[in-house]
Amino acid sequence: GQQVMQIPQYQHVQEGEDFTTYCNSSTTLSNIQWYKQRPGGHPVFLIQLVKSGEVKKQKRLTFQFGEAKKNSSLHITATQTTDVGTYFCARSNSGNEKLTFGTGTRLTIIP
Amino acid sequence: DTGVSQDPRHKITKRGQNVTFRCDPISEHNRLYWYRQTLGQGPEFLTYFQNEAQLEKSRLLSDRFSAERPKGSFSTLEIQRTEQGDSAMYLCASSPDWEQPQHFGDGTRLSIL
Repeated sequence: GQQVMQIPQYQHVQEGEDFTTYCNSSTTLSNIQWYKQRPGGHPVFLIQLVKSGEVKKQKRLTFQFGEAKKNSSLHITATQTTDVGTYFCARSNSGNEKLTFGTGTRLTIIP
Repeated sequence: DTGVSQDPRHKITKRGQNVTFRCDPISEHNRLYWYRQTLGQGPEFLTYFQNEAQLEKSRLLSDRFSAERPKGSFSTLEIQRTEQGDSAMYLCASSPDWEQPQHFGDGTRLSIL
């Protein structure tokens, strides 16, 4: 199937440290989306990447789409306790039909 | 924008019973999606609607599952003869069209006794 693998599965960091999660696909992606799910909450859309090599920033968050459009990363600079949650990448085939979510990276912050 | 609304938030039922969940999408969102999420996993696609038309169903959606969106607004997901393996969070999402991101509701947590 068209799986997307995410690593790591868990990440514990001290508050103020950086955090990165990686998303990998064996097939070329038409786009990649990132979602954040807080404990007990629902997935919240963060961003969509479409172009090869694309880099987008949202304050302390930096999103990258690989040149071959087979991988993506989310980097958080200087983590804060509000960053706690599980970060999912998700692919869709062409438009925005069904999303296939990655396995997620659960981020916990040590104050 | 009141967000996607799902009802009930929690449902506890005995194995073999039928359950029905409701999703009210964001107003004027044409697309409505159902996903299932189990503990520690990402959401898995079940089905989606464009207005009242059900355009795709996952193989996860056995014949015990049925979804409707009769007037192109709210949607219902029914599970007949529930089984232990049906225990999960059932998430609904909506979007204005295929190009826009999906907005998720808080989900209905189903527990099968």
